[in-house]
Amino acid sequence: AQSVTQPDIHITVSEGASLELRCNYSYGATPYLFWYVQSPGQGLQLLLKYFSGDTLVQGIKGFEAEFKRSQSSFNLRKPSVHWSDAAEYFCAVTNTGGFKTIFGAGTRLFVKA
Amino acid sequence: EAGVTQSPTHLIKTRGQQATLRCSPISGHTSVYWYQQALGLGLQFLLWYDEGEERNRGNFPPRFSGRQFPNYSSELNVNALELEDSALYLCASSKTGEVQPQHFGDGTRLSIL
Repeated sequence: AQSVTQPDIHITVSEGASLELRCNYSYGATPYLFWYVQSPGQGLQLLLKYFSGDTLVQGIKGFEAEFKRSQSSFNLRKPSVHWSDAAEYFCAVTNTGGFKTIFGAGTRLFVKA
Repeated sequence: EAGVTQSPTHLIKTRGQQATLRCSPISGHTSVYWYQQALGLGLQFLLWYDEGEERNRGNFPPRFSGRQFPNYSSELNVNALELEDSALYLCASSKTGEVQPQHFGDGTRLSIL
């Protein structure tokens, strides 16, 4: 069965520091992977997606993610965090038909000055 | 391009009442998804509509129902409201027929008193 694990419930980083949010998935076939961000009281905004090809994916707001099939991981990174990045981040995997998307439990990012 | 729009933004009901939530997808999107995001429970898949038909539903009781109209907008109805139905209800849309990320609205906050 498909599943997505985000091991970190919350993470605190200093402004300007680098960030890595972890995501591990379980899926029998080629996964289609996404990262979303949710600010308080709002919906989810797509940061980036991986369907195939280059395993390093660039997204919006300076985020990138790397797909590692051998580790079943799709970790999100940002070289320098800004205070406005404080939000909840969700990793998601979808099936080949694209109609069944499973979301991780989310990682809440806190940014300290 | 207008994003996914949901109405109302907030809805306050009492136990036993019925609630109707509305969603308009992005123009050209034919699939609509409903999710419940209750405190501490993450994103729970509720329903998927495509081309006017219910294609899949999550593990929710039958008092959660909905429909999709010919213009692809959708309604989510929740009957016999219970306190635990208090949550943010998110609607997402995508194109059909190929893997696509889902685009989310800002949600309807349903509060049951």
